[in-house]
Amino acid sequence: DTGVSQDPRHKITKRGQNVTFRCDPISEHNRLYWYRQTLGQGPEFLTYFQNEAQLEKSRLLSDRFSAERPKGSFSTLEIQRTEQGDSAMYLCASSPTDPTGEMYEQYFGPGTRLTVT
Amino acid sequence: DQQVKQNSPSLSVQEGRISILNCDYTNSMFDYFLWYKKYPAEGPTFLISISSIKDKNEDGRFTVFLNKSAKHLSLHIVPSQPGDSAVYFCAAIEPGGKLIFGQGTELSVKP
Repeated sequence: DTGVSQDPRHKITKRGQNVTFRCDPISEHNRLYWYRQTLGQGPEFLTYFQNEAQLEKSRLLSDRFSAERPKGSFSTLEIQRTEQGDSAMYLCASSPTDPTGEMYEQYFGPGTRLTVT
Repeated sequence: DQQVKQNSPSLSVQEGRISILNCDYTNSMFDYFLWYKKYPAEGPTFLISISSIKDKNEDGRFTVFLNKSAKHLSLHIVPSQPGDSAVYFCAAIEPGGKLIFGQGTELSVKP
């Protein structure tokens, strides 16, 4: 078990460019979550998937943000036309669920640190 | 509007003593809470959780207490060790498993 992995670990981009981050969850986990963490704050929920279905995206920060999980395995988070305020740590987490909907703790990846210059 | 609050940004404790980290929440519908620990350049790591049907859960040196009437929970670490130095986040679970985090408390355990 390699845990949740994220790529890249660091990304520096110029304002206005598009960026895409990848998350590979723990293989048997069907739920995948994206969070954003800024300095001095806790992680902030963005969106999540149950298998390939995106169950909530209302908390994505703007229409410049989008996420996919096309085959229910890895996921990507894209930010279009980046702004300096997008600079943050982007965290991915995964968790299993069972048929009764029992909740389990989420396992986090190491994050992708984005710097927009 | 911050639904989960950790009002102490930092805490310093002597090795071997007790560390008490506090967390308050505003939404009485929350029924499951978790504590995570985070080292620099790593993602948060799950520590311990508690359901609202309990008022205490213990796992080794870590105990979480829940006071539903006060909408308050606390994490006790006994005895504290230098390796416990990290940022601790409390979180509540919303429907769908979404985590609502507090701002975090940075714990420093001095040898």
